[in-house]
Amino acid sequence: KQEVTQIPAALSVPEGENLVLNCSFTDSAIYNLQWFRQDPGKGLTSLLLIQSSQREQTSGRLNASLDKSSGRSTLYIAASQPGDSATYLCAVLKETSGSRLTFGEGTQLTVNP
Amino acid sequence: NAGVTQTPKFQVLKTGQSMTLQCAQDMNHEYMSWYRQDPGMGLRLIHYSVGAGITDQGEVPNGYNVSRSTTEDFPLRLLSAAPSQTSVYFCASSYSGGVYGYTFGSGTRLTVV
Repeated sequence: KQEVTQIPAALSVPEGENLVLNCSFTDSAIYNLQWFRQDPGKGLTSLLLIQSSQREQTSGRLNASLDKSSGRSTLYIAASQPGDSATYLCAVLKETSGSRLTFGEGTQLTVNP
Repeated sequence: NAGVTQTPKFQVLKTGQSMTLQCAQDMNHEYMSWYRQDPGMGLRLIHYSVGAGITDQGEVPNGYNVSRSTTEDFPLRLLSAAPSQTSVYFCASSYSGGVYGYTFGSGTRLTVV
């Protein structure tokens, strides 16, 4: 059974700091990994999608990497801003899962002005 | 382009009542799914559909019914609400089984008293 773990569970940083969020998964047979952002009381907003054949994806100040063989992904946020405060979730799509996503429990990020 | 639309946003039910959570997407995605999000449990798959007329159970299907009569709509029915079904429910859709990523709705916050 695929398990996804996100570390740390919560992170508080001062504005302007560069930070890394971690996601690990137990089964490397995945199609892709997707990073989402969730604001309190809101839905999930897709940030980055990395296919299993890719090593990284970038969007603005966000960079996500994938090491499929070791079962790890990182989300790098450059020059963090208070508006980045949210919960960040990673989810993997397993090859034989019937197209179901397996989620981590998320990292709650607070960026202090 | 509305994406994935969920209604209602909030609902309070009494134990034993039934209701239907609505989900509609306008992206012509063949895959649609329902997840519930609970503290400490992450997001878990309830039911999913790979196309009109085809549905299947996910990880936590008990107490829920689904049907898929059109590509656009995927309603989730609570047959007899229980306090354990208090949760936030998310509908998601994707093209080609999630290979290009999933799009999520804004969620329905359900309380069963």
